[in-house]
Amino acid sequence: EVQLVESGGGLVKPGGSLRLSCAASGFTFSSYSMNWVRQAPGKGLEWVSSISSSSSYIYYADSVKGRFTISRDNAKNSLYLQMNSLRAEDTAVYYCARGSGGYWGQGTLVTVSS
Amino acid sequence: DIQMTQSPSSLSASVGDRVTITCQASQDISNYLNWYQQKPGKAPKLLIYDASNLETGVPSRFSGSGSGTDFTFTISSLQPEDIATYYCQQYDNPPITFGQGTRLEIK
Repeated sequence: EVQLVESGGGLVKPGGSLRLSCAASGFTFSSYSMNWVRQAPGKGLEWVSSISSSSSYIYYADSVKGRFTISRDNAKNSLYLQMNSLRAEDTAVYYCARGSGGYWGQGTLVTVSS
Repeated sequence: DIQMTQSPSSLSASVGDRVTITCQASQDISNYLNWYQQKPGKAPKLLIYDASNLETGVPSRFSGSGSGTDFTFTISSLQPEDIATYYCQQYDNPPITFGQGTRLEIK
């Protein structure tokens, strides 16, 4: 069974940093691109970042470019999102999603507030 | 990036009604389109992949059609448990992108 489990969310002050993790199991992690998608309270789904299976290709939404860094460790079946210079508008549930989007984690809440 | 325009943004219908949501891509995406259902506090659930393929375990009242730039999602007979927000999402070219969502309510 495919499972994606996010962790690392929490309350952080504006300008602070957080590192999200996504632990994958039930499939060959190293064969799939991975994505981070977020959803602000009461809003729709917003793609944040993607990374190819071998980390050769990385993409960021303009809203996070220069502040967020996606990475993965195929040996540990894990996906990461380093979030720096956090802003109030980054408050959202952050989901990791596999490849074309068929599998999602349950999400982790990031709240940026003073 | 490919833009996905989904309509309507909200919809009110009665139990048993046929419900249709449309999604238009800003460029040809072949059939690389997913449809999701999301209920409050939950992650999106995949209903349809490759524009028209029903995910395993999803009731047959849900269906999808289309290719290229124009896509349709249909619930043939609305049930109370179908109350949710629905999203289209393309995966033809990275990055994946989403429609704005359709909030479905019972009349």
